[in-house]
Amino acid sequence: AQKITQTQPGMFVQEKEAVTLDCTYDTSDPSYGLFWYKQPSSGEMIFLIYQGSYDQQNATEGRYSLNFQKARKSANLVISASQLGDSAMYFCAMSSPRRALTFGSGTRLQVQP
Amino acid sequence: DAGITQSPRHKVTETGTPVTLRCHQTENHRYMYWYRQDPGHGLRLIHYSYGVKDTDKGEVSDGYSVSRSKTEDFLLTLESATSSQTSVYFCAISGYDRDTEAFFGQGTRLTVV
Repeated sequence: AQKITQTQPGMFVQEKEAVTLDCTYDTSDPSYGLFWYKQPSSGEMIFLIYQGSYDQQNATEGRYSLNFQKARKSANLVISASQLGDSAMYFCAMSSPRRALTFGSGTRLQVQP
Repeated sequence: DAGITQSPRHKVTETGTPVTLRCHQTENHRYMYWYRQDPGHGLRLIHYSYGVKDTDKGEVSDGYSVSRSKTEDFLLTLESATSSQTSVYFCAISGYDRDTEAFFGQGTRLTVV
C-alpha cells in the first residue's frame, strides 16, 4: 500500500513571494514516481512536475521545483515568485507498480496581491 | 492537449437508476483510470485498466463496475446509483513508463437525487 499526506489544507502567500507546499509519502516500492498537479477553480487537472525516486537532482520546471528528500520521504513543491494565477488546489501524487496514481487530499493556495 | 474526453459532462439522476460514464482516448495509452473527487478527499481511485479486458479495483470500488473492450474506451457503471455517489468523476490515461504523467479528462459532475 502507499499513502500521500498533505498536511496543509490551505495556504496564503503574497504575490511575488515564494511558497512551499508540503507532501510526505509512504511506500514499500523501491522505485516510484512523485507528481504535482494543479487544479484551478475551472476544475481541470494540470500536470506541473515529476520526480523519480532514483533521480539524483531535484526536478525543476520554470517557477516550480520539487524539493525531494528521499530519507525523509518528502516531496515538497516550491513555487517561486507567486502570481495571482497560481491560486488553485495543488495535489501531490505517487505512482505505483501498476501505474495507478495515488493522490493526497490537496492544499488550497491563495495568492494575495 | 492529450486526446481524452469524458461524457456526459454533467448528469442528474435518481437514486436506484443505472448510470454509465464514458471515457474516450485517442492517444493509444495502455493505462486508464477512474477517480472520484470529493471535498477533503482529493482524488480517490475507483477502478483502473492496464489493457483491454484487464481491470482492477481501486480503494473505493464498491458500487461501481468498469469495462474496457477497446483500447480507446473505458466505461464506468453505477449499477444502482446512491446519493453517496454524488461526486465529480475524472478519467485519466497514462503511458507505459513510470515517469509518464497522467492526463486527465475534464471531469463529469454527477448528482444523484
